[in-house]
Amino acid sequence: DTGVSQDPRHKITKRGQNVTFRCDPISEHNRLYWYRQTLGQGPEFLTYFQNEAQLEKSRLLSDRFSAERPKGSFSTLEIQRTEQGDSAMYLCASSPEGGTEAFFGQGTRLTVV
Amino acid sequence: AQTVTQSQPEMSVQEAETVTLSCTYDTSESDYYLFWYKQPPSRQMILVIRQEAYKQQNATENRFSVNFQKAAKSFSLKISDSQLGDAAMYFCAYRGDSNYQLIWGAGTKLIIKP
Repeated sequence: DTGVSQDPRHKITKRGQNVTFRCDPISEHNRLYWYRQTLGQGPEFLTYFQNEAQLEKSRLLSDRFSAERPKGSFSTLEIQRTEQGDSAMYLCASSPEGGTEAFFGQGTRLTVV
Repeated sequence: AQTVTQSQPEMSVQEAETVTLSCTYDTSESDYYLFWYKQPPSRQMILVIRQEAYKQQNATENRFSVNFQKAAKSFSLKISDSQLGDAAMYFCAYRGDSNYQLIWGAGTKLIIKP
């Protein structure tokens, strides 16, 4: 499978715990995006990487959120001290240099209890 | 700030019939891209069709076509010969020419009646 891969697919955590999600983009896609999608809503942009550089961060990305993309390959999204409001689907997407289409992974569904 | 509005939370259509999903957007940019994405239940977001704002010709992909009205800031999706596999959430999205983030509508749930 050469698509965007996200791990885990589902995560249930207790409030206050830290969680980390991983995204493996399509090989050679230098752009990587994270979005958050709550039930019944469209996705909301969180952050964007070009290679290893984080070029944009949404105001939605509070101090409890951090994203990295070491070496410009896979990316991780960490949420510290999770809150019930963090429950959502976290989507990762990638696109090639010069491309307009974003290719999405299947997402990580986070439930904070 | 750019916004995308989908005013139809849910639409239903008989199999083999045609359905049109509506999308309007607001922007002050002249160059941008518009997209329709499909999200089946528990499946990933898939691009259905895209439109570059500088192109006057409406995009077409097999049974899917758009009606792009730039002055009216309208971007509707027409699905012809609807099939059961078309059942999904459909999202309209906007991307500025100098910006890589997508701005999304709230989605329209499409139900196909057999």
